Amino acid sequence: NAGVTQTPKFRILKIGQSMTLQCAQDMNHNYMYWYRQDPGMGLKLIYYSVGAGITDKGEVPNGYNVSRSTTEDFPLRLELAAPSQTSVYFCASSYLGTGLPGELFFGEGSRLTVL
Amino acid sequence: AQSVTQLGSHVSVSEGALVLLRCNYSSSVPPYLFWYVQYPNQGLQLLLKYTTGATLVKGINGFEAEFKKSETSFHLTKPSAHMSDAAEYFCAVSDRGSQGNLIFGKGTKLSVKP
Repeated sequence: NAGVTQTPKFRILKIGQSMTLQCAQDMNHNYMYWYRQDPGMGLKLIYYSVGAGITDKGEVPNGYNVSRSTTEDFPLRLELAAPSQTSVYFCASSYLGTGLPGELFFGEGSRLTVL
Repeated sequence: AQSVTQLGSHVSVSEGALVLLRCNYSSSVPPYLFWYVQYPNQGLQLLLKYTTGATLVKGINGFEAEFKKSETSFHLTKPSAHMSDAAEYFCAVSDRGSQGNLIFGKGTKLSVKP
């Protein structure tokens, strides 16, 4: 029972490098999300998707891109990494079918350091 | 815009004592309300949620929360703390019709002393 799987768990990048954080869920959830967590700041929504082929910006989308080609996968792309992107990134998924918000299921996080 | 305020970034209690973690929200209409818990080096998991109906909501691990519309509050309580309750707790709010997007508070780290 995998749930939400994120890779890699840890990564160190140099300023200006690019990378993709992978996220996959096996619960057939329609909604997927990317959050970043900074100490003492809670979680901020970066991007979300309501289904394959549909994505939208959250609160802090600058410097990131996403795609949703399948229901299962929702990769987060960092272009031209900056120190301000040093954070812990969480992918989450949920199922919304009746109009009531579903429970978000989170991955274990990806800790990214940009030096 | 919606917002969530958690009073106290760090709360310390003795084992067996009452746990009270405070959460206030701002919203023009009653939102959906959630408490999540995060154990060290893990993702968040749902403790409990309020969507409609009974205002006293029971969750996992003996936690409960009460939605008080007049006070715009959703405080989390547990009668008797256990060492395993040490974690960070996040209150979150979702607008009805916001496609499930959650606005999180900044979190409260709970320490439990033996």
